[in-house]
Order: sequence, then structure tokens, then C-alpha cells
Amino acid sequence: DIQMTQSPSSLSASVGDRVTITCRASQSISNYLNWYQQKPGKAPKLLIYAASSLQSGVPSRFSGSGSGTDFTLTISSLQPEDFATYYCQQSYSTPPETFGQGTKVDIK
Amino acid sequence: QLQLQESGPGLVKPSETLSLTCSVSGGSVSSKSYYWGWIRQPPGKGLEWIGSLFYSGTTYYNPSLESRLSISMDTSKHHFSLKLSSVTAADTAVYYCARAMIFGSLVPYYYAMDVWGQGTTVTVSS
Repeated sequence: DIQMTQSPSSLSASVGDRVTITCRASQSISNYLNWYQQKPGKAPKLLIYAASSLQSGVPSRFSGSGSGTDFTLTISSLQPEDFATYYCQQSYSTPPETFGQGTKVDIK
Repeated sequence: QLQLQESGPGLVKPSETLSLTCSVSGGSVSSKSYYWGWIRQPPGKGLEWIGSLFYSGTTYYNPSLESRLSISMDTSKHHFSLKLSSVTAADTAVYYCARAMIFGSLVPYYYAMDVWGQGTTVTVSS
């Protein structure tokens, strides 16, 4: 299985901050990388697919980049509703599709 | 707008079979542009992909669960189901059903889960 490792596991930030989350794959996955946001008690929500494509309805402050093994999710200006846990997921080598362990973004 | 809703027992005894159904409304399960999947999340932990079911009937299972797992679809009733046998406490989790987009012109295709159910909590305990 391809292992997905996110860093950091958690971070504290303020409204308006630029936030970057990193996801590293244990082998090359081209751009077969998705990002999800999950709020407590809620289902995950797709933010970014194919590494850099913004899902319909997702604010443009979210962006994704990367290819191969290293990927980033950037929130250009953190908003109160963005405090959540973020997961990366690979769909290059399946089964199984695998998720990172998550990055929790909370209020500083 | 497509909506998914999980249903099934909230409590299952060890060694028994966990059975869940995902009801699909506002759209068709008979599309080659999507697959239908299950994902779970143990309490306080991350997401684990369980398996997928394509329109053709093809299924893919997480190898860690494959020997105990079955995913099937009833197109006439607009739902798909998960059965996980011989459950233990380690199977306690919130179970989500989801639709995944299938796109791209070359193999491997891209997948991304764009619609999710709200999740249902299953506890394995005697």
C-alpha cells in the first residue's frame, strides 16, 4: 500500500494567516491526490482533486500543488470556518485508496 | 441534488456480521461516471477506505478487510450495501458511504469522493 504522511499533525493559526499543509507519498503518485476538509461530527468535504483542481463551490483561498511524492494544500487567508481537520488521499494505486493521518488546524 | 443516507444497526455483537445500507436519492446509481464506496473512521482517528463498487458490478476491497467484506448494489431500490463479517471491537467506527467521481482519459483513472453521507456510528460490543 502507498503510505501518505501529512505534516504537521496539528497547527495553531490566526484568522487571516496563510496556512500550508504538506502531504508526502511513499512512492510517486503523479497528481492522483485529493484534499478533504472535515469538521467535528461531520462528513469529509472534497476541496481539491487531481492535486490542484478546485472542487465546485470551494472558496478560491484554497489551493493545491505538487506532483510525484510531495504535495501542499494552502489556505491563503484563514477564515473562522476553516478551522477543521484536513486529509490528503491518493487514488493512484488502488486498492486501497489511502489517506494521510490528518492535520488539525485550530485557533491560536 | 444527490444525497446519500446510511442506515443500519448501531450496535453489533463480536463475531457477528455488520450490515449497512446507503440510500441514494436525487440521482441515479446507474452511471459509469461514478463509483460508490464506503469509508470508516474509528473514534478519534483518521479515515480508512473500505471499498468501492462500480456500475459494472466490479468491486475493489481494502486488502486488510477483503476476507470479511462484501459490497453490493440494488439498482432497482437505489441503494448499495456493505457487509462485514466476524466483527471485533476494532471495527467500531463511524461508517460513511460516498460517491466518487471517475475522470481522466487514461488508466489509471482519477477518483475523488465528492458526495458523502452523514455517517452512521457502529459499535461492536457484547
